[in-house]
Amino acid sequence: GDSVTQMEGPVTLSEEAFLTINCTYTATGYPSLFWYVQYPGEGLQLLLKATKADDKGSNKGFEATYRKETTSFHLEKGSVQVSDSAVYFCAGGSNYKLTFGKGTLLTVNP
Amino acid sequence: GAVVSQHPSRVICKSGTSVKIECRSLDFQATTMFWYRQFPKQSLMLMATSNEGSKATYEQGVEKDKFLINHASLTLSTLTVTSAHPEDSSFYICSARGTSGFNEQYFGPGTRLTVT
Repeated sequence: GDSVTQMEGPVTLSEEAFLTINCTYTATGYPSLFWYVQYPGEGLQLLLKATKADDKGSNKGFEATYRKETTSFHLEKGSVQVSDSAVYFCAGGSNYKLTFGKGTLLTVNP
Repeated sequence: GAVVSQHPSRVICKSGTSVKIECRSLDFQATTMFWYRQFPKQSLMLMATSNEGSKATYEQGVEKDKFLINHASLTLSTLTVTSAHPEDSSFYICSARGTSGFNEQYFGPGTRLTVT
């Protein structure tokens, strides 16, 4: 079956540092790929997505590129803020079903 | 747009009782709704998929007689945890998929269930 593997946290950064959270997927076919963010005590919010190879999803300064050759969808941000502190989930889906990674807790200190 | 609500946000119930959680799509019609369970510091585990007007499809290992799902309309799905036990305590999250937008799910804020 499909699986998503993402970098285990926690990740602690200082404000304005560069962020990378790795995500790789295994699937039959070519799933759509997503990054979701979960703030404390809340549900998941879609951060960005890519539906086919070489697509780049971007939102709020975050970016991720769908790399078919490496089956990866790494999340990056050039300069993180304290307000970016949250849990980030990578997910892949086809046939209307999403498979989630285990989540990466990011803490950004001022 | 694409807002999904859940009610209640938190519920505490006694062991042996049943509790119902509602999931509503507020500004779109959701042909498919999903129910997830999230354990502390872990990922979301898909419990079941429900389509409006038909029986839910449960994932392997999920007891359909314990977790009753009803998707009675295009904007409402309910999850009833029957005869709850402390091990059912968890964070339950629903999501809804509309008629457009390939594979995009919109998530509710979650319901924290505590069984004492």
